[in-house]
This record gives sequence, structure tokens and C-alpha cells, in this order.
Amino acid sequence: DAGVIQSPRHEVTEMGQEVTLRCKPISGHDYLFWYRQTMMRGLELLIYFNNNVPIDDSGMPEDRFSAKMPNASFSTLKIQPSEPRDSAVYFCASSSGLPYGYTFGSGTRLTVV
Amino acid sequence: QKEVEQNSGPLSVPEGAIASLNCTYSDRGSQSFFWYRQYSGKSPELIMFIYSNGDKEDGRFTAQLNKASQYVSLLIRDSQPSDSATYLCALYTGRRALTFGSGTRLQVQP
Repeated sequence: DAGVIQSPRHEVTEMGQEVTLRCKPISGHDYLFWYRQTMMRGLELLIYFNNNVPIDDSGMPEDRFSAKMPNASFSTLKIQPSEPRDSAVYFCASSSGLPYGYTFGSGTRLTVV
Repeated sequence: QKEVEQNSGPLSVPEGAIASLNCTYSDRGSQSFFWYRQYSGKSPELIMFIYSNGDKEDGRFTAQLNKASQYVSLLIRDSQPSDSATYLCALYTGRRALTFGSGTRLQVQP
């Protein structure tokens, strides 16, 4: 199993631009999570899906952030327009259940200048 | 009060010693607890989980859970320089996805 696959690994963009982060979960995992990690706030849950349906998006900072999961093997997190304060490492993770351990992807390091 | 609290460290121990990492939590309804290891620039990696009060051992790692006192700890025996990383405590409260602490940085001195 290739694990959770995220792309791109690094993204540098200018303020105001649209950014799209991508994730392929582990096959068979029904849950997909998007977390963001910063030095100040640690690892924060943004949103999670169960069977491709968004269940809890209370962690999404504001309307500039949106996430989709069109099928069981693909999810996107979009930021439009991006701002410097969005700079962070964004992790995607998947699991076979909420109370179980999650497997993380390698992350996308986003820098907005 | 934060849901999950960890001392940020760094915790410095000599090679071969026991490293003790602690985590306290506020929600008494928390059901399951996890320890993740994160090397600098890498993603979190699950190393232990525990659901019941008491100790759970896996190789050099022992997780300890005390629900009455609301703490969970991770002991690393015979610490190695390769154990130097940030250790994240996470818990499942039954209401939403895993909540993570801010992590404790461990340094094992050769």
C-alpha cells in the first residue's frame, strides 16, 4: 500500500492566488481528514469526510477555504484567495474509523507571500 | 483550558535512559488515546494507542493511562538518538475527530 498520497509537497504562491491541495487516501479507509499544522497552533482539524460526505467542517477558518471529496480515492482542499496567514503545513490523513489511529500523508508545505 | 496539554520541552535525556512523556486532558469522556512521533519536517507517525486504564507495552515503548487523574504517558526505555523527535498526544472524545496536543520535543544525547 502506498499510504496516503498528497500533492504538491511544496507550494509557494502570491497572496490572492487560488491554491489547491490534493489527497489520495488509503484504499478501504472510509474516513478522510484535513489537518493544518503551525508552530503557534499545532495540529488543527479543518474538516473530515465519511464515505465522501463532509461531516464536520467546524475547523475550516473561513469561507476562503473549501474541501471536496468527489469519490473515495480523491479529495481537494482549496484556498481562494490565499493570504500570508494561511502559510502552514497541510496534512491529509485517512482511517477506517474515528476512534482508530489515523495514517498521515507527507503533507503540503504552503507558503503565501 | 486546552483539551490536550503537553509540555513543549525540550526534554533532554542521555542515551540508554528512560524518557517519560506526559499528557493531560480535560474531557473525562475521552475514550481512546494515541501517541504519534513526528520527526522534523516529516508527518506524524502512530506509535502507540491505549483504550483502558493501566499499562500497554510494545517493544521499548510503554503507554500508561490513568482516566481518574486524566493523564496519559509514554515511556521510552533504552532511549536512542534516533528517538529524538516531537511526540504528539492525541485523543478521541467520541464527539469528533482526534484532537492533538502541541507535542513534546525529545532530545536523546549520545
